[in-house]
Amino acid sequence: KAGVTQTPRYLIKTRGQQVTLSCSPISGHRSVSWYQQTPGQGLQFLFEYFSETQRNKGNFPGRFSGRQFSNSRSEMNVSTLELGDSALYLCASSRLGRADTQYFGPGTRLTVL
Amino acid sequence: KQEVTQIPAALSVPEGENLVLNCSFTDSAIYNLQWFRQDPGKGLTSLLLIQSSQREQTSGRLNASLDKSSGRSTLYIAASQPGDSATYLCAVRLGADAGGTSYGKLTFGQGTILTVHP
Repeated sequence: KAGVTQTPRYLIKTRGQQVTLSCSPISGHRSVSWYQQTPGQGLQFLFEYFSETQRNKGNFPGRFSGRQFSNSRSEMNVSTLELGDSALYLCASSRLGRADTQYFGPGTRLTVL
Repeated sequence: KQEVTQIPAALSVPEGENLVLNCSFTDSAIYNLQWFRQDPGKGLTSLLLIQSSQREQTSGRLNASLDKSSGRSTLYIAASQPGDSATYLCAVRLGADAGGTSYGKLTFGQGTILTVHP
């Protein structure tokens, strides 16, 4: 069974631009979560989607948004990029949610110049 | 607010040693706890998931224990190998009394950087 895939793997943007990251969960998984990882803050929860509905959201500004499609694939968007948005963005999927193991993708490395 | 702490922050051991990584959390009302490893620049690999009703889980040379009442978990690695070198992260998921709004959210510790030298 294929794992969680994320595209693109690397991205370089400049301040003020916007970016869209994509995540394809493991087949059959309906829950998708997004995390931001930085050296200073570690791993921080962004949001979680289940059956196209945002079920939970972390403490990030409104510039960070996401959505989930009917096939469970998810995208996250960051508008008006800031230097501090440079990070590894990780997507995780699980079958239903809370009781299940979360499986992570390889991440998208975003660099904002 | 749930806080997760991992001790030590870094650990360097010779190959073959048995070792223990520690994880503590402030809110004992967790649903489950998951241990991961992360290789440099890569995503997270799930190692073990312990539900709140369980005391331990084992997978190969790995054994994770959970003491929910005291807010602690340990990851035991037997007969360490250079390939075990990575950052080990623990993460907790809040329980049923968290208002039902924290379903998938994992709260992570800062990790333990493990180096096993030949």
